[in-house]
Amino acid sequence: DGGITQSPKYLFRKEGQNVTLSCEQNLNHDAMYWYRQDPGQGLRLIYYSQIVNDFQKGDIAEGYSVSREKKESFPLTVTSAQKNPTAFYLCASRAPWTSGNTIYFGEGSWLTVV
Amino acid sequence: DAKTTQPPSMDCAEGRAANLPCNHSTISGNEYVYWYRQIHSQGPQYIIHGLKNNETNEMASLIITEDRKSSTLILPHATLRDTAVYYCIVRVEVGQTGANNLFFGTGTRLTVIP
Repeated sequence: DGGITQSPKYLFRKEGQNVTLSCEQNLNHDAMYWYRQDPGQGLRLIYYSQIVNDFQKGDIAEGYSVSREKKESFPLTVTSAQKNPTAFYLCASRAPWTSGNTIYFGEGSWLTVV
Repeated sequence: DAKTTQPPSMDCAEGRAANLPCNHSTISGNEYVYWYRQIHSQGPQYIIHGLKNNETNEMASLIITEDRKSSTLILPHATLRDTAVYYCIVRVEVGQTGANNLFFGTGTRLTVIP
């Protein structure tokens, strides 16, 4: 089935460590996104990529980094510079406008700093 | 993108229609209204979107007022599995190239009661 796969679902990180969250899509979408969601809050945009080898900062990019070496993959690294990384992280991709321009989400990854 | 206003919570009896309102008084002429829902600890699920005309699909109906300043999502026969947070979003669709284009507020928490 086509879709967006995020892994791991649950991740624990010690303070001072970098962690990388995986996001893979087989929908052949050019645009991909990373959002952060805190309990009871809406989604906030971390980074987005409109095409391979290109990405842009979103509203809360500090302490995060991304890469887009392949169309299917958009991994997010949460660095030690991110002061409050415990959150629910969502990856998404966008269909082209000829297919409705709809954004589809993965199932999310829970990151907890211990 | 225009911002939206939704009530924080609503209840609906199982089997009855759930009508979820959304105000988007600053919507632009080329902005579409999208609805997503999110069940706890899962990624948001696309429901429906529209520009001016009312829309219906297998999940729901979308009623947009003539002045486009508000809309209503209708779940015709709510089930317990429809309990979720529902987000109303407005964004540009056709020909849109920008990627920072989804503003998820806190949505409406719909509880379907047996």
